[in-house]
Amino acid sequence: DVKVTQSSRYLVKRTGEKVFLECVQDMDHENMFWYRQDPGLGLRLIYFSYDVKMKEKGDIPEGYSVSREKKERFSLILESASTNQTSMYLCASSSPGTESSGANVLTFGAGSRLTVL
Amino acid sequence: AQKVTQAQTEISVVEKEDVTLDCVYETRDTTYYLFWYKQPPSGELVFLIRRNSFDEQNEISGRYSWNFQKSTSSFNFTITASQVVDSAVYFCALSEAEDSGNTPLVFGKGTRLSVIA
Repeated sequence: DVKVTQSSRYLVKRTGEKVFLECVQDMDHENMFWYRQDPGLGLRLIYFSYDVKMKEKGDIPEGYSVSREKKERFSLILESASTNQTSMYLCASSSPGTESSGANVLTFGAGSRLTVL
Repeated sequence: AQKVTQAQTEISVVEKEDVTLDCVYETRDTTYYLFWYKQPPSGELVFLIRRNSFDEQNEISGRYSWNFQKSTSSFNFTITASQVVDSAVYFCALSEAEDSGNTPLVFGKGTRLSVIA
């Protein structure tokens, strides 16, 4: 069963701490994404990557950075966590192939619920 | 710029009723993809359907059906004879196809469906 695995389901951190959210996929997908989900706001794109060592800013990149050193792993970093970063973080991956091969269909991880105190 | 609007924040129905979830989108591209995802209480988003902009045929899959109308920029989702297991948050999403590849999915804010036994 193909999967996107997020290392932590629940985290509690203090303001100012550095936070790493790890995401690993086993589908050999080129594309990986980080979204955050907040009540009433839906899913908003933070960062994405279409290749190793490549990253692009999404709609709300402020306060975040990412790292993609290997194809299967995409990490989201909060350099100095703040209370307004309390949220559910969702990692996803997809293939850029053909439509018939399922291109552009996101497979999501289970999410990481981060609370910043 | 692409935008997806799900005007219904929450819907509550009694089991066996039919229910339609609305999705209206905005895009300047002629080639794009529309998606529906389901997020059950467990939290993991599950892909339901992808439709490209050149295929306006309605689709039926069991109790689920989708009505794509380019004239009204809508991609509505109907559940027939709803069941308690259909209770979830449903997201509509849009991705534009560009020469460099497909853009990341932009999601609506979601509609929370509660099916009461």
